Amino acid sequence: EPEVTQTPSHQVTQMGQEVILRCVPISNHLYFYWYRQILGQKVEFLVSFYNNEISEKSEIFDDQFSVERPDGSNFTLKIRSTKLEDSAMYFCASSEIPGQISGGYTFGSGTRLTVV
Amino acid sequence: ILNVEQSPQSLHVQEGDSTNFTCSFPSSNFYALHWYRWETAKSPEALFVMTLNGDEKKKGRISATLNTKEGYSYLYIKGSQPEDSATYLCAFNTGGFKTIFGAGTRLFVKA
Repeated sequence: EPEVTQTPSHQVTQMGQEVILRCVPISNHLYFYWYRQILGQKVEFLVSFYNNEISEKSEIFDDQFSVERPDGSNFTLKIRSTKLEDSAMYFCASSEIPGQISGGYTFGSGTRLTVV
Repeated sequence: ILNVEQSPQSLHVQEGDSTNFTCSFPSSNFYALHWYRWETAKSPEALFVMTLNGDEKKKGRISATLNTKEGYSYLYIKGSQPEDSATYLCAFNTGGFKTIFGAGTRLFVKA
C-alpha cells in the first residue's frame, strides 16, 4: 500500500538553528499538509499546499515557517530559527483530492523534532 | 475558536466487550467529520469521513454515527480485541483545508 514517507524520524537541533523536515507524499496525490503535535497536546494543523502554493495556513505557521515542493516528489517544511516551543512531532499528510471530502488524509509516521 | 472534544480521555475494556466513545464539535459551519485510528509509533489511519447528518458508517467491527444538528459523533467497537488498542482521533472540518483534531480517546483492550 502506498505510504507517505518522512525523514528523519528524529531530529535534535540547537535553539536558533534552521531545520528542514522532509516528506515524500504518495505519488498521485495533489494536496499536501503539515500537522504537528506537541507532547501531551492535540494534533494541530499547520499548512496545506496545492498547485505549488499554500492554500491555507494556521496562526501557528508564522514567518519562521515555510514549505516547498522543490521537485516532483519531495515536500519540505523549513523552520528558520528554531525555538524550544517548536519541539513536537511533525506529521506530513497527503490526499488525492481535498482530504476533507475524500477518505481522509494519508499521514506519514512523523518526525520528532527536539530543540535544545 | 473552534474546538473538538472527545470523551472519555481513556478507556480500559476486556477483550470481547463492546465500547463506544464520543466526539463533540461545533454544530455550525459543519462540512465533514473524520475518524482516525492511531497506534503507537505508527501514523494515524483514516477510518471514516462523514458528511451527512444521520450518516452511519461501518468497517468490520467498527462503526460510527453522526449528528450534525447537535454536534456529536459516536464511534462503536463491537467485541473489542487487543489489536483494537489505539488512540481514536476525531477531526472536524468546515470546508477549508484546515482540519481541527480532538485530543483523542486512548483505548486499552486487555486479553
